[in-house]
Amino acid sequence: GAGVSQSPRYKVAKRGQDVALRCDPISGHVSLFWYQQALGQGPEFLTYFQNEAQLDKSGLPSDRFFAERPEGSVSTLKIQRTQQEDSAVYLCASSFRWQETQYFGPGTRLLVL
Amino acid sequence: AQSVTQPDIHITVSEGASLELRCNYSYGATPYLFWYVQSPGQGLQLLLKYFSGDTLVQGIKGFEAEFKRSQSSFNLRKPSVHWSDAAEYFCAVGRTGTASKLTFGTGTRLQVTL
Repeated sequence: GAGVSQSPRYKVAKRGQDVALRCDPISGHVSLFWYQQALGQGPEFLTYFQNEAQLDKSGLPSDRFFAERPEGSVSTLKIQRTQQEDSAVYLCASSFRWQETQYFGPGTRLLVL
Repeated sequence: AQSVTQPDIHITVSEGASLELRCNYSYGATPYLFWYVQSPGQGLQLLLKYFSGDTLVQGIKGFEAEFKRSQSSFNLRKPSVHWSDAAEYFCAVGRTGTASKLTFGTGTRLQVTL
């Protein structure tokens, strides 16, 4: 079956622009996670959904970051008024249930100029 | 808070040689432990995981890892490395009992010489 897909794969934004990153999890997966991976670093947790409920957003770095999953499947990570420090790869992962193996998408590479 | 340390930033091995990548974790209870591999421009692929039971875990592509509670370690091993194993390797820990957001190490870049 299809894995986790993310779009766009690459995004270049001017500082101050808003961006929206999309994640399509594996069909039937209840849990969905967003991670941010800065250059040369490991991924860092941003937020977690169980179905449509956002149960943990402790990793979101500022109130410019917002995530949603309104119907419990596709999720969107939105970054408002992008800053250069937002440049990173944003990874989405899904799992059948919480505490089970997370399967990662290819990521969206965001470059803020 | 949980944390993961991968002390080796970069490792170079010859093709056919054995490999061991080190991972140490900090967590107050029995952790969930993972090794992921990331090729350039790709997402993370799960190599293996430890939840409970046998402390020697077998994974894909001929990799294995051993959970040693006394040393808080979960080192990844492969007896004979192939050139296609060149990639970035990440160790991660998840918490038990709650939604398992993962905490990753900073990664070890593996270079394989022919």
